[in-house]
Amino acid sequence: AQKVTQAQTEISVVEKEDVTLDCVYETRDTTYYLFWYKQPPSGELVFLIRRNSFDEQNEISGRYSWNFQKSTSSFNFTITASQVVDSAVYFCALSEAWYQGGSEKLVFGKGTKLTVNP
Amino acid sequence: GAGVSQSPRYKVTKRGQDVALRCDPISGHVSLYWYRQALGQGPEFLTYFNYEAQQDKSGLPNDRFSAERPEGSISTLTIQRTEQRDSAMYRCASSSNREPSGNTIYFGEGSWLTVV
Repeated sequence: AQKVTQAQTEISVVEKEDVTLDCVYETRDTTYYLFWYKQPPSGELVFLIRRNSFDEQNEISGRYSWNFQKSTSSFNFTITASQVVDSAVYFCALSEAWYQGGSEKLVFGKGTKLTVNP
Repeated sequence: GAGVSQSPRYKVTKRGQDVALRCDPISGHVSLYWYRQALGQGPEFLTYFNYEAQQDKSGLPNDRFSAERPEGSISTLTIQRTEQRDSAMYRCASSSNREPSGNTIYFGEGSWLTVV
């Protein structure tokens, strides 16, 4: 069975600090996809990144970076120089490889609430 | 449309009433999903469709919940004889299943359901 664990329930930082959100996953599949979504206080779920299990290169997008470590089944998310607008709940999610005809559903972690204080 | 559209955004209903939640996916998206999210929790899968075919309904909690997508576009999630425990945000999402976005799921703003 697939499972996503976000052990950090809440994190509070001061603006300009760097912060890392942890995500650990479990799956028996050799091919799978990992995602991060952001849920700001307004409530919508915003897609941030998709990564397949064959691509272990770290990715950077502006102040955001993601570290995929297959050996430890982790897909951590780092925000550099955090800003108040980064305050949100962040969800990590996992799905089986859709092109293999497997279930396409996403399994979400419980989320990490990030508060960035001015 | 440009994004996933859901209606109503907010619904308050009395226990025992039936409720229908509507979802209009991103134009051209093949797959449509329904998720439920309780306060303080991550979204939980309910069901999904490829075109008009319901591929997986394993997440529907009981037979009071049903969903349809008769023409492969708009979908309706129906909850019969609502109970207070059904109160949650119901999120609809869609994916194109074509690269570059592939199986990336894009969510609507959700429908808040409160059963009193």
